[in-house]
Amino acid sequence: DVKVTQSSRYLVKRTGEKVFLECVQDMDHENMFWYRQDPGLGLRLIYFSYDVKMKEKGDIPEGYSVSREKKERFSLILESASTNQTSMYLCASSQPGLGELFFGEGSRLTVL
Amino acid sequence: GQQVMQIPQYQHVQEGEDFTTYCNSSTTLSNIQWYKQRPGGHPVFLIQLVKSGEVKKQKRLTFQFGEAKKNSSLHITATQTTDVGTYFCAGAALFSGGYNKLIFGAGTRLAVHP
Repeated sequence: DVKVTQSSRYLVKRTGEKVFLECVQDMDHENMFWYRQDPGLGLRLIYFSYDVKMKEKGDIPEGYSVSREKKERFSLILESASTNQTSMYLCASSQPGLGELFFGEGSRLTVL
Repeated sequence: GQQVMQIPQYQHVQEGEDFTTYCNSSTTLSNIQWYKQRPGGHPVFLIQLVKSGEVKKQKRLTFQFGEAKKNSSLHITATQTTDVGTYFCAGAALFSGGYNKLIFGAGTRLAVHP
């Protein structure tokens, strides 16, 4: 069964802390994505990667960075967490060609 | 601003009534996908439409892709309580930035009362 695993379901961090959200997929997918989900705003694309070492900004990259050193792993980094980054973060992967996305369970981050 | 618009934001129906959600893009899409997210869950892929004017059915669900490949709809006939959740459209296109991206609408939350 295909699987996208996010390292933490729930995190609570303080303002200014550095936060790492890890995502691993076991489907050998080329494409990986980070979205954040907020009520009334749907899923907004933060960063995406279509190959190892490749990364591109999505629609809301400010305050975030990413790392893709291995094909199966895509990490989202908040260098200095702020309260407006409190949200649900969803990682997804897909094969080339932007077909079906497979999502992880999500990581709910609260920044105090 | 949102590049893929979806309406309504929320719909409340009686079990057995029909339901429709609409999706509209300012950009011609290469494909459109639909996802369902149950309360407390993550989005799960339902279908992908690629061709202009395409219509696909999955039991009580009917998906349409507009002739101009800028809009789409999902229609559920005779809703059931198991249909509860949020339905998202997602359009793939060469949005700003030089890469094809998959951009989601804001979603339509469906509540079904028995």
